Amino acid sequence: DQQVKQNSPSLSVQEGRISILNCDYTNSMFDYFLWYKKYPAEGPTFLISISSIKDKNEDGRFTVFLNKSAKHLSLHIVPSQPGDSAVYFCAARGNSGGSNYKLTFGKGTLLTVNP
Amino acid sequence: DADVTQTPRNRITKTGKRIMLECSQTKGHDRMYWYRQDPGLGLRLIYYSFDVKDINKGEISDGYSVSRQAQAKFSLSLESAIPNQTALYFCATSDSNKDEQYFGPGTRLTVT
Repeated sequence: DQQVKQNSPSLSVQEGRISILNCDYTNSMFDYFLWYKKYPAEGPTFLISISSIKDKNEDGRFTVFLNKSAKHLSLHIVPSQPGDSAVYFCAARGNSGGSNYKLTFGKGTLLTVNP
Repeated sequence: DADVTQTPRNRITKTGKRIMLECSQTKGHDRMYWYRQDPGLGLRLIYYSFDVKDINKGEISDGYSVSRQAQAKFSLSLESAIPNQTALYFCATSDSNKDEQYFGPGTRLTVT
């Protein structure tokens, strides 16, 4: 059973516009969420995170929004740049303690930003 | 220099062979992880270790084993490789006080 879902395998946007990547989760025990970015032939790199006690976290062009009641989070990139073209993974962590320290990843969304 | 290194970066092996993938880190993190990535399936956790004496199975540990030789080293072994273990393998590390994981560059393994 997939606990972290990224239902859009790919997304294409124009340079300068907003990119919105979505992620849904089913496990109500998840309390911390992360976004990773992955270029071809490289490992994923941490981008931004949000705790379940917040509904928004912003870092430069990247903003993550969390809607706990809907079990939904989104990553906004404004303005989008061609260098943002990559696969984006959503990840979630359960409460502290025991095996819940591990992250559960979504399948990823390929973002293409066209010049 | 990279903080998390993996060797080899690419490997082609035959069915039934034993193979070891190695991971080293200079970040001083106590937690280390092995994931595999398959097209359309994202990252799936194979094994993880919270310290040198701690080893835990992830969601897809069958057919794999690990060894935590030191705080900085975590190796993944395929005792008898099979074609469906063809994938991209990633090692990751994290600090015990933080949730962000830092990934190595990956090992592309092909089992023929």
